Amino acid sequence: SQTIHQWPATLVQPVGSPLSLECTVEGTSNPNLYWYRQAAGRGLQLLFYSVGIGQISSEVPQNLSASRPQDRQFILSSKKLLLSDSGFYLCAGTSGPQGVGYTFGSGTRLTVV
Amino acid sequence: AQSVTQLDSQVPVFEEAPVELRCNYSSSVSVYLFWYVQYPNQGLQLLLKYLSGSTLVKGINGFEAEFNKSQTSFHLRKPSVHISDTAEYFCAVRNFGNEKLTFGTGTRLTIIP
Repeated sequence: SQTIHQWPATLVQPVGSPLSLECTVEGTSNPNLYWYRQAAGRGLQLLFYSVGIGQISSEVPQNLSASRPQDRQFILSSKKLLLSDSGFYLCAGTSGPQGVGYTFGSGTRLTVV
Repeated sequence: AQSVTQLDSQVPVFEEAPVELRCNYSSSVSVYLFWYVQYPNQGLQLLLKYLSGSTLVKGINGFEAEFNKSQTSFHLRKPSVHISDTAEYFCAVRNFGNEKLTFGTGTRLTIIP
């Protein structure tokens, strides 16, 4: 079965500092991978998704970027964090029959101060 | 395009009472449907999914959902809730051939002792 690993679990960063969140996949080859952000009390916003190495689709213009250097690695980055980047970041990968379901990581709580 | 509406942002229910969380979707093609649960500061866990076949789907923790194509609904039900069911519940839809899962804004289920 597929497992999504995310770290760190919590992160407090000052405004203007860089960001790198890593997501790795175990148990599946060539999954689609996704980064979601969940703001306090709100639903999930799709930020980026990737169907393969080096292939990134951006859903929302913002201060963030994503990269997929390896089949099972998906990285979310920022050069300079804004206060509005605070939130709960979730990585997900396709899983199950026909790859239609998603498996989620445990998330990273980012607070920009 | 695909979209999901969860009309109830919060649902309080007494312990051992039945509950229904409502979900309606919009799509011009065939869909896959999902319900996820999120406990505080955790990722999302799949409760159940409808891919094809029987319209009544049973999931984990005693939950079930019924796919109603004519009403474009996928309501989640449980005959008797427990304190441990307190969580946020998300309905999600994915069109056939679409790489992305679209989530509703979530329903916070609170169990009253």
